[in-house]
Amino acid sequence: GAVVSQHPSWVICKSGTSVKIECRSLDFQATTMFWYRQFPKQSLMLMATSNEGSKATYEQGVEKDKFLINHASLTLSTLTVTSAHPEDSSFYICSADTAEDLQETQYFGPGTRLLVL
Amino acid sequence: GENVEQHPSTLSVQEGDSAVIKCTYSDSASNYFPWYKQELGKRPQLIIDIRSNVGEKKDQRIAVTLNKTAKHFSLHITETQPEDSAVYFCAASLFGNEKLTFGTGTRLTIIP
Repeated sequence: GAVVSQHPSWVICKSGTSVKIECRSLDFQATTMFWYRQFPKQSLMLMATSNEGSKATYEQGVEKDKFLINHASLTLSTLTVTSAHPEDSSFYICSADTAEDLQETQYFGPGTRLLVL
Repeated sequence: GENVEQHPSTLSVQEGDSAVIKCTYSDSASNYFPWYKQELGKRPQLIIDIRSNVGEKKDQRIAVTLNKTAKHFSLHITETQPEDSAVYFCAASLFGNEKLTFGTGTRLTIIP
């Protein structure tokens, strides 16, 4: 149980285009989903926290108008990178929390590798 | 906000020896301290975690210790094997379902 999927697993796009990344909890309802970004050989940095039905909370320095997050249901959150530029190339990983799990553990998706040309 | 420091950044040990990775955190309100193993291009995998109400937890070859007074926690891997080679991250959060602040990572290499 507690499986989180992401789609796509990798994407290449041209500079200036928008890219949407989906994060799904497959067998549980996720009250909260987190979006992280990881540059090569660096750590995971939290971008934003999203709760179903409400606006996402962005970390300091993350542009909310550039990284649009929608958490429309308890099993799906989307991250849209708008007007992507080469510096947005990174590994984007989501995680989901389930209120069903007394362990209160986050479950990570497999990640989406974005390359902006 | 929370700040997590991790040392060393790289660590090489002979197969069969032990490896220790240390982290310190800044926010005394943090209560949940997980450790993740990440292989190249893959998602982080939770290998062990500890909550603030215990000082030590062990799972086979892996153990974690926590000193809340000093605000540091450590990962201990005994009898290391080649498959232990990976990047390890510590993290801290208020609770397990809260946002995680990650350490900078340790690249562990096990020398056969």
